[in-house]
Amino acid sequence: DVKVTQSSRYLVKRTGEKVFLECVQDMDHENMFWYRQDPGLGLRLIYFSYDVKMKEKGDIPEGYSVSREKKERFSLILESASTNQTSMYLCASSRTMGAGQPQHFGDGTRLSIL
Amino acid sequence: GQQVMQIPQYQHVQEGEDFTTYCNSSTTLSNIQWYKQRPGGHPVFLIQLVKSGEVKKQKRLTFQFGEAKKNSSLHITATQTTDVGTYFCAVADGGSYIPTFGRGTSLIVHP
Repeated sequence: DVKVTQSSRYLVKRTGEKVFLECVQDMDHENMFWYRQDPGLGLRLIYFSYDVKMKEKGDIPEGYSVSREKKERFSLILESASTNQTSMYLCASSRTMGAGQPQHFGDGTRLSIL
Repeated sequence: GQQVMQIPQYQHVQEGEDFTTYCNSSTTLSNIQWYKQRPGGHPVFLIQLVKSGEVKKQKRLTFQFGEAKKNSSLHITATQTTDVGTYFCAVADGGSYIPTFGRGTSLIVHP
């Protein structure tokens, strides 16, 4: 079974802080994704990566950056956290490129910015 | 990203009633995936549809892809309390290799 592990279930940070969310997958998947989930808005793609050191912007990349130094690890960075970034953040991975690949999700990190 | 509309946003049913959620796109899709997210959980992949008019079944769940490959439905027969959750579709057209998620339909089942 694919295991996608997010480093924290709950996180509270202050406005202006630099925040790191970590995600690790154990199935040698090529693709990794970061989403945010807000009530009524579904899952919105922030960034994705299809290979080590490769990244592409999703639909809402503003205020975020990512890092993928190793294949199994994909980090989401909030450069200067703001209250409107309070949300549930979900990491996912898929085996290869191609929209036909199912995504496997982590349990999510509920981030509160005070 | 691609535009996809999922309706309804919420659906309340009595246990034993049927439930249907719809996913609609303005463009022709190459495939559609369905996911279920239990309350407090994460989305879990259910199924993928690829062919025009395709129908797939998983126990009480029936998934259908429209003939024009622009819409899809998920139907649950005789809902149970274990069906509670949010159902998402994720769609891709020929030009994208990353699927776009709909906003989801939250199913509430009253015992």
